[in-house]
Order: sequence, then C-alpha cells, then structure tokens
Amino acid sequence: LAKTTQPISMDSYEGQEVNITCSHNNIATNDYITWYQQFPSQGPRFIIQGYKTKVTNEVASLFIPADRKSSTLSLPRVSLSDTAVYYCLVGALNSGYSTLTFGKGTMLLVS
Amino acid sequence: DGGITQSPKYLFRKEGQNVTLSCEQNLNHDAMYWYRQDPGQGLRLIYYSQIVNDFQKGDIAEGYSVSREKKESFPLTVTSAQKNPTAFYLCASSIPTLNSPLHFGNGTRLTVT
Repeated sequence: LAKTTQPISMDSYEGQEVNITCSHNNIATNDYITWYQQFPSQGPRFIIQGYKTKVTNEVASLFIPADRKSSTLSLPRVSLSDTAVYYCLVGALNSGYSTLTFGKGTMLLVS
Repeated sequence: DGGITQSPKYLFRKEGQNVTLSCEQNLNHDAMYWYRQDPGQGLRLIYYSQIVNDFQKGDIAEGYSVSREKKESFPLTVTSAQKNPTAFYLCASSIPTLNSPLHFGNGTRLTVT
C-alpha cells in the first residue's frame, strides 16, 4: 500500500480556504485517493475520493496533479465546525474489501 | 436511517476479563471491519470480514477474536491475552464495489484497569 505523508497540524481562521496536501510518491496505477474527516470520539466520515485531475462535491474539492504523487484537499470558507482530523488514504479495494491504512492525519484547528 | 450502531459507547473492565463489543449495521453491506485507535494515532485494522462466516486478520489481530454469523452483525471480543486493550474501537462497513468508502460507527471507548 502506498505510504502517505501529510502535515501533523494546521491552523486557520473562519471564512478562509484551507488546503491540506498529502504526498504519496509510491501510488500505484490502480490506487484511488480518499479523504476522511474525524471529530473527537466519533468515527471517520468519508469526504471525497478521486483518481486524477479535480473532483468537487458539496463539501470539498480534491486536486490531483498529472503524476498523482500528491493530492490537495481544499475546504472552502471553513467554519469552527470544520475543526477535526483529516486523513488521506491511498489504495484500492481488493476483491470487495478494504484494507486501507489510516495514518495520523492532519489536525485542523479553525478559530 | 441506515447506519452502524456500536454499543456501548463507554465500557469499563477489569484486567483479565474478556469483553465483547457490539457492532450492528442496517446498510446491507457485505464487508465489515474493526479498527483500533489510540490517542493521537491513526486507525489500525484488527479484523475484517468480506462475507458471513468468513473473516481475516488485520494488522493487529493478536488478543482479539471476531465472529460473523449474520450479515448485519460483527462482534469483537477483546480477550485477556490482549496486552494493552484500553483504546477507542471503531467498526466500519462497505459494499464490495471498487473503492466503495467505509462507513463508520461512533465507536466504543474501552478502559481496562
């Protein structure tokens, strides 16, 4: 499984756009990039997933360059409620199940 | 509402006792998973199950056991052999399609003293 590297923590203010970058130099051809959000004492929640270029949903955007060795999660106009840990995962489902590894994630503090 | 229910939210046990954590889902998902999370750490996979009556060890299965007798249920037993059982335990499920996201419950915080 591809190893990921992301900042341990980030600070932002309400109303700002936040970009969290994840490095995954060893990403494989079949791997997708998935981001999860976790609040304290809750389970992670799926945010967004992509393979290449740009993906956007109602919550966030995911930018993936052509070489796919990194990706950036973009959160527009954050609010206090966006304070959470954000995990970048790289991998693929195999035969109908997932063994993706969650690293330590990025702790985003919005004030 | 469909989802994953983990119970109880908090669990306290004495050292040397086995304890079983409940996980029930009504999402009709085939695959289910158990993760462990320690303070300030990521999630580590304990066991996963692709289908009823079948399960596989994850990265840290020692000291844990599971069963999958029904599609909607995947209980985890923390045995007395688990050396450091105090942790936050998360159950998840997914459908068996390519890159289907994981759906998590809200966890059980187990404290063993």
